[in-house]
Amino acid sequence: GQNIDQPTEMTATEGAIVQINCTYQTSGFNGLFWYQQHAGEAPTFLSYNVLDGLEEKGRFSSFLSRSKGYSYLLLKELQMKDSASYLCAVTRSNDYKLSFGAGTTVTVRA
Amino acid sequence: DTAVSQTPKYLVTQMGNDKSIKCEQNLGHDTMYWYKQDSKKFLKIMFSYNNKELIINETVPNRFSPKSPDKAHLNLHINSLELGDSAVYFCASSQEFPGQGYEQYFGPGTRLTVT
Repeated sequence: GQNIDQPTEMTATEGAIVQINCTYQTSGFNGLFWYQQHAGEAPTFLSYNVLDGLEEKGRFSSFLSRSKGYSYLLLKELQMKDSASYLCAVTRSNDYKLSFGAGTTVTVRA
Repeated sequence: DTAVSQTPKYLVTQMGNDKSIKCEQNLGHDTMYWYKQDSKKFLKIMFSYNNKELIINETVPNRFSPKSPDKAHLNLHINSLELGDSAVYFCASSQEFPGQGYEQYFGPGTRLTVT
């Protein structure tokens, strides 16, 4: 099986930075995805990491350490519209599916 | 243009009934999925089809039967609905499998309520 852990909730102030951590234990690891899901809506793709390091995409960055089984999603210059659930998901080389963590609900306050 | 669409968006029905949810994607993708998201927001894979062929059946009760008439459509039929089936069901598609680095595109979801 795969164990994927991420915090349940985080709260931050508009304009601030928030880091959402995700740890995983899986054999045959072959990539980690981050998705954003606003309440009542569908998940949407944010980032994909397969090699160690930082991937930057505008205000959002994602980091991966394969040896530590660890990733984080960094949200900078937080805006109210960033209030959402952020889902960490892993995939394996011998598998055809994504396994999702339970998601982290981020609340941005004015 | 809607990429992945599902119908209906809301479905309220009684225990024991049979219902279907339809999904269509216009992205030209070869792979389609059904996910269930429960009240705790946990998103769990149910089925995956590649080129109309079943690839993943994630130990879902056989009351759930997916059907893919062509690559652009993946429908979900549920027999003898139970209270525990109440959830949001998401259809998704991707060009290839996530293990190859391909992102998934999700439909808007179908909120099923069984009373």
